[in-house]
Amino acid sequence: QQQVKQSPQSLIVQKGGISIINCAYENTAFDYFPWYQQFPGKGPALLIAIRPDVSEKKEGRFTISFNKSAKQFSLHIMDSQPGDSATYFCAASLSGSARQLTFGSGTQLTVLP
Amino acid sequence: KAGVTQTPRYLIKTRGQQVTLSCSPISGHRSVSWYQQTPGQGLQFLFEYFSETQRNKGNFPGRFSGRQFSNSRSEMNVSTLELGDSALYLCASSRADTQYFGPGTRLTVL
Repeated sequence: QQQVKQSPQSLIVQKGGISIINCAYENTAFDYFPWYQQFPGKGPALLIAIRPDVSEKKEGRFTISFNKSAKQFSLHIMDSQPGDSATYFCAASLSGSARQLTFGSGTQLTVLP
Repeated sequence: KAGVTQTPRYLIKTRGQQVTLSCSPISGHRSVSWYQQTPGQGLQFLFEYFSETQRNKGNFPGRFSGRQFSNSRSEMNVSTLELGDSALYLCASSRADTQYFGPGTRLTVL
């Protein structure tokens, strides 16, 4: 019930391409869905977050698409750059408990120059 | 504004010992959460403190404990260390929904 499944485990994209990472959740009570970026030796940093009342949110080159009926959400990175090479985590939390995040397993993104 | 700071950054202990990790949140943040990150289990929630009270607790044994002080600084303690406790321990502070993570403490148990 508390799981968040993330795919793919690793992703290689050419510079300028679109990177797409997918997540699926089981618990319909989840209502906050953030994406984090983590570089080696650093803690995760929030990229973008969405709530189920909207289907899409865009911030710069990063877009979250949310499908409530399918219980899926995805991160799209447009015009991917070598500096985007990092590990990306999706997460979810329950209403009133936004600080107790359930994380996906992570996607290691490599953007080739 | 200074970010979340964690000390120490690296720690080596042996089985059976105990360890205390420290976290200083961003100024003005009253909520501090702790996570364990391992290659096998990923990022897992340990517990959250708000105004010196534990509000949420993850599925970890009682050997893992924490506390928060009146200045919002937090510590977590792991007693009777096991090899499987080797991990990156991350602290995050928040004022609303957004959590800001520190760089973590890398604990190695030999």
